[in-house]
Amino acid sequence: IQLTQSPSLLSASVGDRVTLSCKGSQNINNYLAWYQQKLGEAPKLLIYNTNSLQTGIPSRFSGSGSGTDYTLTISSLQPEDVATYFCYQYNNGLTFGSGTKLEIK
Amino acid sequence: QVQLQQSGAELVKPGSSVKISCKASGYTFTSYDMHWIKQQPGNGLEWIGWIYPGNGNTKYNQKFNGKATLTADKSSSTAYMQLSSLTSEDSAVYFCARDWELGYFDFWGPGTMVTVSS
Repeated sequence: IQLTQSPSLLSASVGDRVTLSCKGSQNINNYLAWYQQKLGEAPKLLIYNTNSLQTGIPSRFSGSGSGTDYTLTISSLQPEDVATYFCYQYNNGLTFGSGTKLEIK
Repeated sequence: QVQLQQSGAELVKPGSSVKISCKASGYTFTSYDMHWIKQQPGNGLEWIGWIYPGNGNTKYNQKFNGKATLTADKSSSTAYMQLSSLTSEDSAVYFCARDWELGYFDFWGPGTMVTVSS
């Protein structure tokens, strides 16, 4: 399954509601996770099984979707959210999206 | 607390092999799959394969068959990945990451940079 993320680059202001998209080439059956990777660091799990928040992750992060289309939402963008975000599917094989780089305007 | 400690950066020559390590602590090593993921500079993430240290079972991304070999030492709670016949395309950061057989990775190591250059 190939994953297409959009946009590839997103610039937003602190406090904005931000939405990142991930589209699969086939049905993902909700086996989708989101990772945050800050510069020079390992990826960090934010969301698994489409909408389950990993322990310790702020509640401003949420996930939704079904079928082939999934979304990561940050309800109020914070400066520390600057990172690249990857979606990842584990329904059929294990594949990552190409990432959305999120920066502060 | 859970820690995955990876070995240091490697500078290796084309055609050679390299073996990198991932030492686990803070959890039962034999109860989780250990995956390896490749990240080339400026690029996305690519799954290489996994090993189940409990019995040594492995599974590979077809693309890395013959390139990567995964092993694990239960006595030292350390997972290893050997990469062979190295080319410039193997220059990347390699991460280990654990998975409780749920399919996703809940904790990652800091990564090991491998540079292939003559």
